[in-house]
Amino acid sequence: DTAVSQTPKYLVTQMGNDKSIKCEQNLGHDTMYWYKQDSKKFLKIMFSYNNKELIINETVPNRFSPKSPDKAHLNLHINSLELGDSAVYFCASSQEGARERSGYTFGSGTRLTVV
Amino acid sequence: QQQVKQSPQSLIVQKGGIPIINCAYENTAFDYFPWYQQFPGKGPALLIAIRPDVSEKKEGRFTISFNKSAKQFSLHIMDSQPGDSATYFCAASSRNDYKLSFGAGTTVTVRA
Repeated sequence: DTAVSQTPKYLVTQMGNDKSIKCEQNLGHDTMYWYKQDSKKFLKIMFSYNNKELIINETVPNRFSPKSPDKAHLNLHINSLELGDSAVYFCASSQEGARERSGYTFGSGTRLTVV
Repeated sequence: QQQVKQSPQSLIVQKGGIPIINCAYENTAFDYFPWYQQFPGKGPALLIAIRPDVSEKKEGRFTISFNKSAKQFSLHIMDSQPGDSATYFCAASSRNDYKLSFGAGTTVTVRA
């Protein structure tokens, strides 16, 4: 059973399109995240949600809108895609108060290519 | 700006060598310092983590050394193997952070 699963794994789309990435975790964690990994492999936090509440929005353009329908799901919708949005997007989850025991669990990533 | 500075950017060692990756931080509120390992096409996976009240931690062939006064920590991979070839990230967070701040990553290549 995959702990944090993201779909799709690959996404190729044209500039200006709107796309969504879905994430689900079956670990029972209460906090979920979106990270962006650029071409130089740098990992940067975009959003974090705790118990479905938005906790962190790290100066991400308004074109990016996360949505957490429940604690196990965190989706990312991107409007008006731009070339600079091309990256790998990782979903992750953790349990508040248990980071030293279990850390963050990452999904396998969604490689978004905007052409 | 980057809260955790990591070096070197890449490292090549022979099998059995000891790659060493260094990280430094400024935020004294950080109290949790994990290392993540990432293979191509995969997400980062937790390797080992340390708290600032401990100066060294070992798990298998991986050792973290922590210097609280210098605000530096490092990862040593003992008896490195070709299967250890991956990108390694140091990270840090504070108790109520709700995020991990990552270093820029180090690509380690272990030649057979």
